[in-house]
Amino acid sequence: DAGVIQSPRHEVTEMGQEVTLRCKPISGHNSLFWYRQTMMRGLELLIYFNNNVPIDDSGMPEDRFSAKMPNASFSTLKIQPSEPRDSAVYFCASTRQQTGNTIYFGEGSWLTVV
Amino acid sequence: QQPVQSPQAVILREGEDAVINCSSSKALYSVHWYRQKHGEAPVFLMILLKGGEQKGHEKISASFNEKKQQSSLYLTASQLSYSGTYFCGKGGSQGNLIFGKGTKLSVKP
Repeated sequence: DAGVIQSPRHEVTEMGQEVTLRCKPISGHNSLFWYRQTMMRGLELLIYFNNNVPIDDSGMPEDRFSAKMPNASFSTLKIQPSEPRDSAVYFCASTRQQTGNTIYFGEGSWLTVV
Repeated sequence: QQPVQSPQAVILREGEDAVINCSSSKALYSVHWYRQKHGEAPVFLMILLKGGEQKGHEKISASFNEKKQQSSLYLTASQLSYSGTYFCGKGGSQGNLIFGKGTKLSVKP
């Protein structure tokens, strides 16, 4: 079975540019999470969706960040405009919504903003 | 609301044991343990759902003390392959997962 698929795997962009990260969750999973990982802050939950509906976006750092889930098999995380401090690994993860279900991570998108 | 992990880092020789602790100031509905190797995604180890529950995975096991809002991960007779960063995740009532900052484990020959 295919796991969580993220793209791009690596992106280098200039400050001020728009960045769009993409995620395809595991088929049949109805919860999707976006995490950001940095050395200083560890793994931070940015936003999560249940049945395509955003449930909690309190982890989104600023208005420059936005996330959408137009259907059950696709989600995007957009940063506009990007800044050097946004450089991090962004992970998408999915699960079947139920307390105690395993959350599966994608391989991450490594973003560098110069 | 982020769970607190301790220690932040530990260095072991092969064959030695280690304990990683995870605590929360608020109620824990469930505790999830993950291991992440450098440059890779976190990989699921185990979930503990009930207070007092203990689980094992090869020579890695964990316990969950609901009253104390704590969980501990036990690594026995460590192997080189155990090296990595271990994260505990606090499961929320709606299925979300908030991670601690991680414990970096290095196993030396």
